[in-house]
Amino acid sequence: NAGVTQTPKFRILKIGQSMTLQCAQDMNHNYMYWYRQDPGMGLKLIYYSVGAGITDKGEVPNGYNVSRSTTEDFPLRLELAAPSQTSVYFCASSYSTSGSALEQYFGPGTRLTVT
Amino acid sequence: GENVEQHPSTLSVQEGDSAVIKCTYSDSASNYFPWYKQELGKRPQLIIDIRSNVGEKKDQRIAVTLNKTAKHFSLHITETQPEDSAVYFCAASSVDSGGGADGLTFGKGTHLIIQP
Repeated sequence: NAGVTQTPKFRILKIGQSMTLQCAQDMNHNYMYWYRQDPGMGLKLIYYSVGAGITDKGEVPNGYNVSRSTTEDFPLRLELAAPSQTSVYFCASSYSTSGSALEQYFGPGTRLTVT
Repeated sequence: GENVEQHPSTLSVQEGDSAVIKCTYSDSASNYFPWYKQELGKRPQLIIDIRSNVGEKKDQRIAVTLNKTAKHFSLHITETQPEDSAVYFCAASSVDSGGGADGLTFGKGTHLIIQP
């Protein structure tokens, strides 16, 4: 299993540009998450999904959109990029049923710079 | 929403000594508390977690304690080694009706430095 994969690894955007960060997992996990991590800080939840077709906002959703059309993929869309969105973005997934383990497995991250 | 405070922000200990990192949370509905280790430029990796129906959990040199009444939990690392040097994050979440965690709220992290 490749686990959780993210593309691209690095990206530089100009202010106002848009892009999609890709996230995929091959572990048949039902829950998927997007976090951002600013320098020297903890991770903050952007959006999460409990299954295909279901998404919900986290702590910092403004400026982002998500979709979950398949179990495997959970792309994050940035519209009109702003310097405040410069961050490292981590995707994570977990397989959760009642009473099961709750561990979230993280992807390697995408380092995004908006200038 | 949930708020997680973590202390200290930096902790320097001699190799072989113990390290303790403390976190408090605000939402009494939180019932899942993982600890992650993150090395520079790498992804966070789970080192131990605890649910609110358990007061303490141990895995070799690592232990976590939870006080639900006081809403705080702590990470204890004994016999520290150079490879323990990293940033450690505590987090809190509640388990939803589907049995999964509805997203983690993280503390700001503790930079643990092991002095040789």
